Amino acid sequence: NAGVTQTPKFQVLKTGQSMTLQCAQDMNHEYMSWYRQDPGMGLRLIHYSVGAGITDQGEVPNGYNVSRSTTEDFPLRLLSAAPSQTSVYFCASSPSGGSGYGYTFGSGTRLTVV
Amino acid sequence: AQSVTQLDSHVSVSEGTPVLLRCNYSSSYSPSLFWYVQHPNKGLQLLLKYTSAATLVKGINGFEAEFKKSETSFHLTKPSAHMSDAAEYFCVVSDPPTFGRGTSLIVHP
Repeated sequence: NAGVTQTPKFQVLKTGQSMTLQCAQDMNHEYMSWYRQDPGMGLRLIHYSVGAGITDQGEVPNGYNVSRSTTEDFPLRLLSAAPSQTSVYFCASSPSGGSGYGYTFGSGTRLTVV
Repeated sequence: AQSVTQLDSHVSVSEGTPVLLRCNYSSSYSPSLFWYVQHPNKGLQLLLKYTSAATLVKGINGFEAEFKKSETSFHLTKPSAHMSDAAEYFCVVSDPPTFGRGTSLIVHP
């Protein structure tokens, strides 16, 4: 089925460890983005990309890196995990960064940093 | 900078009664606006969107929203709540998409 696929669904990390959250879409969408969801905070934008080779920071980029080498994939890297990064992470895509299309979300990755 | 304010963190209704979830936005240009729904432990699903066409927008599952530029509002309504409507609802302004903090809709039998 077409959509946004996130892996893994659950992950537990120790403080200081690094890892990559994977996001892939098969809809040929140009725009992809990463959010974190914390209780009472809604979703906050971490990084986004308007096309292969182009990325930019969102509202809460510190501690995270991204790259976009292909249209399909947009991995999110945690460089040195901290307990404050315990959250649910969502990847989303859209046909373009322009308004009006809405966004397709993945099912999320629940990350716990101990 | 743009922002979204969802005026109620929780809304409680009885099944069969109307639903009103309030959203105000701030944007320096004519925005696109969305409502998303998130059921427990699920991803987000698009309910409806406003993109400068008709100001009254109809979405899925009987929801609709009205864009009022003079009031900078985009409130979500439904004439009759169903138990399955219990979920978290997010108002979003683009671009890049900025989310409100969410409104939890509780539906009592």
